[in-house]
Amino acid sequence: ETGVTQTPRHLVMGMTNKKSLKCEQHLGHNAMYWYKQSAKKPLELMFVYNFKEQTENNSVPSRFSPECPNSSHLFLHLHTLQPEDSALYLCASSQDWGRRMVEAFFGQGTRLTVV
Amino acid sequence: AQTVTQSQPEMSVQEAETVTLSCTYDTSENNYYLFWYKQPPSRQMILVIRQEAYKQQNATENRFSVNFQKAAKSFSLKISDSQLGDTAMYFCAFNMPSYGKLTFGQGTILTVHP
Repeated sequence: ETGVTQTPRHLVMGMTNKKSLKCEQHLGHNAMYWYKQSAKKPLELMFVYNFKEQTENNSVPSRFSPECPNSSHLFLHLHTLQPEDSALYLCASSQDWGRRMVEAFFGQGTRLTVV
Repeated sequence: AQTVTQSQPEMSVQEAETVTLSCTYDTSENNYYLFWYKQPPSRQMILVIRQEAYKQQNATENRFSVNFQKAAKSFSLKISDSQLGDTAMYFCAFNMPSYGKLTFGQGTILTVHP
């Protein structure tokens, strides 16, 4: 059982659709992250939230819109995506990085296919 | 900028044997942390082992151990007595306390054969 839960596990959407990915953590962490994992590429950090404040936007296109209403929940809103956005989207959480050891805990990911 | 390099895209090993996965990194910092994560076919990223850069002693967790060479900026993972359940993609990752985010290598796919 994971302390970080992502829904849905799989998502197929058209390029004109709007959908949202959800992440919830039950670990009492203050930092949450979105990563994109594409085939044959390293994990790409997309967004970082620390104490609900966005602290990093790693040059992500505006068709990806994050939302962090509280330290336990993180959303990724998707609209007018492209086929190259098809990937595994991973959510992670950690203690805030003022701590000595910042270990991230991951969800099982959402497999997104854009058609 | 910090970079992490895993030069072995794929590795294979026979059950019960030992395998070593390589990782090098580049940083000008002195205080940082290194991790190995495992991602099995279920896609769940699981922390395998971690190392604090200021500790000279290599970390061990049961069958998993690391060879941390700070001067060479090398952080390899040794898996002893390999088991079928070790089949997964393994990621090396780097983090600094003030940086807050993990930087990952490209990953190594490990297959354990019966």
